[in-house]
Amino acid sequence: KAGVTQTPRYLIKTRGQQVTLSCSPISGHRSVSWYQQTPGQGLQFLFEYFSETQRNKGNFPGRFSGRQFSNSRSEMNVSTLELGDSALYLCASREGSNTDTQYFGPGTRLTVL
Amino acid sequence: DAKTTQPTSMDCAEGRAANLPCNHSTISGNEYVYWYRQIHSQGPQYIIHGLKNNETNEMASLIITEDRKSSTLILPHATLRDTAVYYCIVREDNNDMRFGAGTRLTVKP
Repeated sequence: KAGVTQTPRYLIKTRGQQVTLSCSPISGHRSVSWYQQTPGQGLQFLFEYFSETQRNKGNFPGRFSGRQFSNSRSEMNVSTLELGDSALYLCASREGSNTDTQYFGPGTRLTVL
Repeated sequence: DAKTTQPTSMDCAEGRAANLPCNHSTISGNEYVYWYRQIHSQGPQYIIHGLKNNETNEMASLIITEDRKSSTLILPHATLRDTAVYYCIVREDNNDMRFGAGTRLTVKP
């Protein structure tokens, strides 16, 4: 099976802009989670989607949002970008139950200037 | 906050076993212990997970103490490619994974 794919791999934006990142999970996986990784804060959980519904949410402001489509593909949106949003954004998928293993994509490196 | 404690860094000689410890003293009965590693800002790679029993796969072995308050990941014959940050994670009740700072393992020739 193909792994988790994320597009784009690299992105440069300026403050105040918005950005949309995309994630395609492993075939058959219904859960998609998003994480932010920065040198200062490490890997932090953003949210999880399962069957097009947000199932879990981390402690991030409302500027960070997401959605999931019927084919399980997911998008993450960040509005009104701030310099501190520069990070590696990681997507992970799993089949769906609580004990399923998560598999991560390669990430999208976002730089906000 | 992560529910695990790991050493910040460790070194290992190439070809030797790498033993990475993890403390999770507040783990509850239905929480699994997961290990991932991350090589140079790539996405984290799943290694192994377990609940109570020791586990082994093609990558590593996981030894969990009887009281489940700590575990050890064993890479039996470390190679230079095993240099990475290793994360020990206890699965939260609400299903998300809380990553700590991990252990930076450096395998030296």
